[in-house]
Amino acid sequence: SQTIHQWPATLVQPVGSPLSLECTVEGTSNPNLYWYRQAAGRGLQLLFYSVGIGQISSEVPQNLSASRPQDRQFILSSKKLLLSDSGFYLCAWSVNGRLTSTDTQYFGPGTRLTVL
Amino acid sequence: DAKTTQPPSMDCAEGRAANLPCNHSTISGNEYVYWYRQIHSQGPQYIIHGLKNNETNEMASLIITEDRKSSTLILPHATLRDTAVYYCIVRVSIGISSGSARQLTFGSGTQLTVLP
Repeated sequence: SQTIHQWPATLVQPVGSPLSLECTVEGTSNPNLYWYRQAAGRGLQLLFYSVGIGQISSEVPQNLSASRPQDRQFILSSKKLLLSDSGFYLCAWSVNGRLTSTDTQYFGPGTRLTVL
Repeated sequence: DAKTTQPPSMDCAEGRAANLPCNHSTISGNEYVYWYRQIHSQGPQYIIHGLKNNETNEMASLIITEDRKSSTLILPHATLRDTAVYYCIVRVSIGISSGSARQLTFGSGTQLTVLP
């Protein structure tokens, strides 16, 4: 079966510090990978998605970046955090679109980031 | 993706069936009905999805009306751990030939509270 891991689970960082959040998926190959942010009491905002190694698409302009160095690894980074970067960050995966007609997305446990 | 309407909250007694309704009157022929839930401070969890026929898995049953304009998620024997916000989502099929990924958008959902 497939599992998705995220770490750390919680993080408190000062403004201007760097950020690195990691997501890994087990039990599947060539998945689509996603980074979402969920602000308190609000819906999901898609930040980045990837359909393959080194292929990153950005949905919104921001000071965050994403990388996919390996097939099942997705990293969210920032060089300098802003207060507005606080939120609940969720990684998700789905079966690659070339292999299925639906795109059910499966989420990780999330990382709660507080920028002070 | 078609818009969905859900009641903001529902209560259910522990051990009883929880029936969560969703209206999607503008659904089109190639759109699937998905259900996710989110327990407080955790990542969203996929529950079930369907196109036309009723579906059942180890978590729940999905009943879709013949005209597909509404559906009901059924948790047959609700437990306290089923307390969560339940989201009904309608999404178009991305097609086997597509390699692109798409945002998953949650509405306001239904807060289900299972009472002891």
